[in-house]
Amino acid sequence: GIQVEQSPPDLILQEGANSTLRCNFSDSVNNLQWFHQNPWGQLINLFYIPSGTKQNGRLSATTVATERYSLLYISSSQTTDSGVYFCAVDGKDALNFGKGTSLLVTP
Amino acid sequence: EPEVTQTPSHQVTQMGQEVILRCVPISNHLYFYWYRQILGQKVEFLVSFYNNEISEKSEIFDDQFSVERPDGSNFTLKIRSTKLEDSAMYFCASTQGGVYLYEQYFGPGTRLTVT
Repeated sequence: GIQVEQSPPDLILQEGANSTLRCNFSDSVNNLQWFHQNPWGQLINLFYIPSGTKQNGRLSATTVATERYSLLYISSSQTTDSGVYFCAVDGKDALNFGKGTSLLVTP
Repeated sequence: EPEVTQTPSHQVTQMGQEVILRCVPISNHLYFYWYRQILGQKVEFLVSFYNNEISEKSEIFDDQFSVERPDGSNFTLKIRSTKLEDSAMYFCASTQGGVYLYEQYFGPGTRLTVT
């Protein structure tokens, strides 16, 4: 099946810093989603972005489908941004998740 | 905004007991899914359900698991005889159409602890 690799696996930032999370995938995709898993374990939809660029407040995402990668940008990070960020792509009738990037934003 | 809901939020059960996890998908969605996440690991697909039958299942979804849509709103996952290794967060999800074309929406999860 399709492989999803996320980097970096862990990231520590000071509040106010910017960061870029990367998702590489091994085959062409029709669906790519970014999620934030909060400390309570809930998966929050961030972006549905099989191609192109989207922005939502301090977060933005870009997917370059032809080169098989997606980037999630977090600007002016806040402590509430802490958690695990997952990228997922369409596999065989379901989403195939990467292992995530664990982000800790310190005051 | 419509959302997927799940109950209970946390369930503790003894090994060998049956559990039923419940989900209410978004009302106009047609495809339903269960995923699980063992603590510290990635989210894994269990099963997809469309038109009142299973459309795909992973190798994790063995004979101890079953799914059902008992009425027009609920979607359930049953584990017949729980094992310690079934301890995980279980997520329900739904989409309007197939996952290759439509955004998938997740519920808040049920944390299952098997003792």
